Amino acid sequence: SAVISQKPSRDICQRGTSLTIQCQVDSQVTMMFWYRQQPGQSLTLIATANQGSEATYESGFVIDKFPISRPNLTFSTLTVSNMSPEDSSIYLCSVDIGNSYNEQFFGPGTRLTVL
Amino acid sequence: AQSVTQLDSHVSVSEGTPVLLRCNYSSSYSPSLFWYVQHPNKGLQLLLKYTSAATLVKGINGFEAEFKKSETSFHLTKPSAHMSDAAEYFCVVSDMRGQNFVFGPGTRLSVLP
Repeated sequence: SAVISQKPSRDICQRGTSLTIQCQVDSQVTMMFWYRQQPGQSLTLIATANQGSEATYESGFVIDKFPISRPNLTFSTLTVSNMSPEDSSIYLCSVDIGNSYNEQFFGPGTRLTVL
Repeated sequence: AQSVTQLDSHVSVSEGTPVLLRCNYSSSYSPSLFWYVQHPNKGLQLLLKYTSAATLVKGINGFEAEFKKSETSFHLTKPSAHMSDAAEYFCVVSDMRGQNFVFGPGTRLSVLP
């Protein structure tokens, strides 16, 4: 398994500002993922972040809005840029520890409210 | 393309009675299937996973699920509900490479005293 922490756990931000969310894993992992969970909804994959390469974004998500960094095998950041109230969601990071089961372990999430 | 359908958005059971949460999937590959649970204001926890080893999978907290290829189903069951089982449950399908993780819409389980 993997232990994942996220910072901040929650934040309230003003429209037009940006927030950077940090994800830290207790072991080296190749694949990290960022998800969004809008209020009352399921999880939607934003992007896959692999160390040493550009993040791969899913349809509907763009780098200018959600820039991602992956400087090493235990850490990643997601920035939510130029925020609007529609960005109010829980943002979760997850990791694939590379075992044969392809399971993902999730961080506790960052609850973002944009006013 | 892969997809997941959870047939019930909300299930309500009495404490001590059986739980059935339904999940159907569509996948072009031989899928891996997972059930995750999300308690209020908590992160996601893996309940169990199917990865082609055995069709009946046992997970934590007394939950189990059966993979039925002919029905493309992976329903989650528990013989006796506990108050602490009240949460949101997500069925997830991924291809064998684990690079395409698709979540179902979720089922909210309520447990009545």
